[in-house]
Amino acid sequence: EIVLTQSPGTLSLSPGETATLSCRASQSLSPVYLAWYQQKPGQAPRLLIYATSSRATGIPDRFSGSGSGTDFTLTITRLDPEDFAVYHCQQYESTPYTFGQGTKLDVK
Amino acid sequence: QLQLQESGPGLVKPSETLSLTCTVSGASNNIDESYWGYIRQAPGQGLEWIATRSYDGIRYNPSLKSRAFMSVDAVKNQLFLSLTSVTAADTAMYYCARRAPFGSGHYFDYWGRGTLVTVSS
Repeated sequence: EIVLTQSPGTLSLSPGETATLSCRASQSLSPVYLAWYQQKPGQAPRLLIYATSSRATGIPDRFSGSGSGTDFTLTITRLDPEDFAVYHCQQYESTPYTFGQGTKLDVK
Repeated sequence: QLQLQESGPGLVKPSETLSLTCTVSGASNNIDESYWGYIRQAPGQGLEWIATRSYDGIRYNPSLKSRAFMSVDAVKNQLFLSLTSVTAADTAMYYCARRAPFGSGHYFDYWGRGTLVTVSS
């Protein structure tokens, strides 16, 4: 099973700043098999990024993904108040498909 | 706009079977032509993939040790998940979601808001 470790657990930033979230895999992944989701309290998770760097429909270009091998990054520039949420990464290279434990992005 | 709405019993006793329904609306085609999955999130934990029905059948997370069963009723536009012999460890928010189309990869592009299930006597 591929284990995904997200860091930091909590990231405290101010609106307008840039957030950098990390997702590390326990073994090397093909870049086409890594996704990111945003989850707000009481809401359905929302797909942000798939295949490491492809933005889902309607996702602003302030959100970008990058990475290869075992290290992947979600970057959010010019943080908007709407961006403060929990972010999850997911690998879908092999079953069982697994998620990281999440990074909470909160207001400083 | 595709929407998914989960429903469930809320409270289940240990050793019993948990049964969940997901109602799909706004689909542009027959739900049999799309792929669907279930994911759960225990309190304070990360997301855990449970099962997906894809083009090649239904795949399950081995961690559930054959307790999970998923099906689709295309006439009613509903998905179903049952989980047998539940324990407190099965207490979680349960989500249904649409898997990305064939050739895209096994990620989920539409999710429901989830239904909370508590296992307790």
